[in-house]
Amino acid sequence: NAGVTQTPKFQVLKTGQSMTLQCAQDMNHEYMSWYRQDPGMGLRLIHYSVGAGITDQGEVPNGYNVSRSTTEDFPLRLLSAAPSQTSVYFCASSYGSQFVSTDTQYFGPGTRLTVL
Amino acid sequence: DAKTTQPNSMESNEEEPVHLPCNHSTISGTDYIHWYRQLPSQGPEYVIHGLTSNVNNRMASLAIAEDRKSSTLILHRATLRDAAVYYCILRRWDMRFGAGTRLTVKP
Repeated sequence: NAGVTQTPKFQVLKTGQSMTLQCAQDMNHEYMSWYRQDPGMGLRLIHYSVGAGITDQGEVPNGYNVSRSTTEDFPLRLLSAAPSQTSVYFCASSYGSQFVSTDTQYFGPGTRLTVL
Repeated sequence: DAKTTQPNSMESNEEEPVHLPCNHSTISGTDYIHWYRQLPSQGPEYVIHGLTSNVNNRMASLAIAEDRKSSTLILHRATLRDAAVYYCILRRWDMRFGAGTRLTVKP
């Protein structure tokens, strides 16, 4: 049971480039989400998904796209990278459904992204 | 959205108890109080959660005020490994993190 995995661990992009951050979980969780964490700050929610085929926006969705074609995977796409997107990105998952208020979220190790 | 207020930082000595406060005066009746912590260079990890009653688990205790407008995370014997940023979160559908409290544990 690997939990929540993220790839890559580190990435450097140039302004305007696009890329996809990968996130996978093997716990059969319905709920998955993406956060970004800027230096010295707490995590901010980018997008989340309550199940395959269903996604919604969080606090800071601009510049990011997501899709959820399977229960296991929830990739985050940067359409045209900007220096303001330099951050650490965390993926998380939980059982979700009607017990979401008491859910435990499991976080991945993070992807450190630098946009030059 | 209901917000939480935590001190920016706290210090503790190793093997002493630590009380981490959190104010959430606008909490609604359906909000659960969750605590997570983030060790250096890692993703957050779950610590404990509760609704109205005090809660205990192997990691910590959670004391919730009778009016639910504040709560306190209690680490009974702090270790060096407990040095982390601790987040108090009111959970409905999603989770919104504040800046948290950075706990320093001195040997």
